Amino acid sequence: AAGVIQSPRHLIKEKRETATLKCYPIPRHDTVYWYQQGPGQDPQFLISFYEKMQSDKGSIPDRFSAQQFSDYHSELNMSSLELGDSALYFCARNGRLQGRVTEAFFGQGTRLTVV
Amino acid sequence: RKEVEQDPGPFNVPEGATVAFNCTYSNSASQSFFWYRQDCRKEPKLLMSVYSSGNEDGRFTAQLNRASQYISLLIRDSKLSDSATYLCVSCPERETNTGANSKLTFGKGITLSVRP
Repeated sequence: AAGVIQSPRHLIKEKRETATLKCYPIPRHDTVYWYQQGPGQDPQFLISFYEKMQSDKGSIPDRFSAQQFSDYHSELNMSSLELGDSALYFCARNGRLQGRVTEAFFGQGTRLTVV
Repeated sequence: RKEVEQDPGPFNVPEGATVAFNCTYSNSASQSFFWYRQDCRKEPKLLMSVYSSGNEDGRFTAQLNRASQYISLLIRDSKLSDSATYLCVSCPERETNTGANSKLTFGKGITLSVRP
């Protein structure tokens, strides 16, 4: 079945530390999206990749970077963590039919807590 | 102004009630629309895609009005299990030579609580 695997599920980091979140679209998929969802907020688009190249960029801080690898998995790297970075981070892949977006499949998310 | 605006919530209704959610979008280039459901601390999951002619799936009916740029979701005969946050989502359906897809833009979400 189509889906997305994310790891880790939970992560606790201290301020100013770094964190790496991983995303594995299933099956391998050319496009991945990263979203950040703060407490009580809607998911905010961070960045996306198509065929290992950045395809779109949203409200991603300069302290964050991401990439998509040759096996199509993606990693979100977060440095100099701040308390406000505490959120759920979702990775998603789209389904499409004849070029039309059909739906997005989300991973279960990584809950990052910065203390 | 947010690109996708939803009715403020929360909604608290008794079982069996009919509840309607409305959502407006500002980007006229948006082509695809969806309603997602999100349970507490879980990932968003697709509830319905919204087609231009409107569509129905059991107790759920979604409608799209492009002229007024709004989308609606109607839930009939509410169940306790319908309690969740409902997110209105738009997507500028973009077809390019590379086949790259478009990001989803979410509304803030409406929380529905169905009480016995």
